Amino acid sequence: DIQMAQSPSSLSAFVGDRVNITCRASQSIGRDLNWYQQKSGKAPKLLIYDASTLQSGVPSRISGSGSGTDFTLTINSLQPEDFATYFCQQSYRTLFTFGPGTKVDIK
Amino acid sequence: QVQLQESGPGLVKPSETLSLTCTVSGGSISRYYWSWIRQSPGMGLEWIGDIHYSGTTNYNPSLKSRVTISVDTSKNQFSLRLSSVTAADTAVYFCANRREVIGAPFDSWGQGTLVTVSS
Repeated sequence: DIQMAQSPSSLSAFVGDRVNITCRASQSIGRDLNWYQQKSGKAPKLLIYDASTLQSGVPSRISGSGSGTDFTLTINSLQPEDFATYFCQQSYRTLFTFGPGTKVDIK
Repeated sequence: QVQLQESGPGLVKPSETLSLTCTVSGGSISRYYWSWIRQSPGMGLEWIGDIHYSGTTNYNPSLKSRVTISVDTSKNQFSLRLSSVTAADTAVYFCANRREVIGAPFDSWGQGTLVTVSS
């Protein structure tokens, strides 16, 4: 299995802050890395695929970067609707695996 | 994007079989791969397996011996059966889809349904 790790596990930030979340794969996955946002009681929502491609309808303050084993999700100018949990997921191998999540809450 | 909706019992007894159905609307099931994913506090998000409309299946090896995923194209539905359940199978179960492209993400998700395993 490809193991996915995320850091930090949680963070507190102010509205307007810039936030970075990192994801590391246990082996190289090229750019087959996706990011999801999940709010309490809801299903995950796809934000970014192929490491850096923004899903339609996702605001441009959200971006992704990286390749190989190290990836970053960046949220510029954090908005109230961005407070949620974020997951990375590798789609390199059909045994798809997710990171444990990063919870972003209001400071 | 298609819409997905899970349905099935919310309570299953230990050793019995969990059965869920996902109904697809707003598009045909005769494209994409159709997945089941579960989420529990202890295991996080866990991919269970998926099925192509042609019937090709992929399963998580950790669950393969207990899982069957099937598709009914006439009803635009696909289903999950998980046998010999234990308390460890208590989770929110989601259905989702992904495009027929290597490396594709899970585009659309159902709202999820909580299944509790308890006597």
